[in-house]
Amino acid sequence: AQKVTQAQTEISVVEKEDVTLDCVYETRDTTYYLFWYKQPPSGELVFLIRRNSFDEQNEISGRYSWNFQKSTSSFNFTITASQVVDSAVYFCALSEASGGYNKLIFGAGTRLAVHP
Amino acid sequence: DAGVIQSPRHEVTEMGQEVTLRCKPISGHNSLFWYRQTMMRGLELLIYFNNNVPIDDSGMPEDRFSAKMPNASFSTLKIQPSEPRDSAVYFCASSSRDTNQPQHFGDGTRLSIL
Repeated sequence: AQKVTQAQTEISVVEKEDVTLDCVYETRDTTYYLFWYKQPPSGELVFLIRRNSFDEQNEISGRYSWNFQKSTSSFNFTITASQVVDSAVYFCALSEASGGYNKLIFGAGTRLAVHP
Repeated sequence: DAGVIQSPRHEVTEMGQEVTLRCKPISGHNSLFWYRQTMMRGLELLIYFNNNVPIDDSGMPEDRFSAKMPNASFSTLKIQPSEPRDSAVYFCASSSRDTNQPQHFGDGTRLSIL
């Protein structure tokens, strides 16, 4: 069973638009971490954020914000006033306590294209 | 601080050849992970080490794949013999289990088997 679902395969927006990337996860663990990684066209994987399952506070970092809702098993990522440099593939990931937090289970990724 | 360093960045070789991918984790990190990224299967964990010891290799696709970590600052992923279906981007990541740090990834090795 797929544990991390990113239903949006591709999103295309015009610069300065706000965009939300959806992530839905599935786990039987009560303790887990959720992550977002960015993969720009150059190919590297860049860590963006990690949230603990006990911390449902939303987080804001500059133009980036994250909304964690355990009730809907979602961890959505919003980019405000998008820029061309935000164009990348974004991955949501899960690590579970039962796996010793060692195994990152990735979603399929959402490709974001921001056009000038 | 230097991040995770992988070499080579690109490798093109003919099927049947041995391929060795290298990784230097972030200094002080004691967990190391090898991932493979393909269009069909996305990002998948192949194997990980804690304190140089292989803990879970259930993601290694078959016996042609092997990984070693002879010391805290070096790991290899070897494919012998290589096949075209092994073509992928291979990432190495490291983290600090002791300080509960997230995994940080290297730039990856793009492998093409002809």
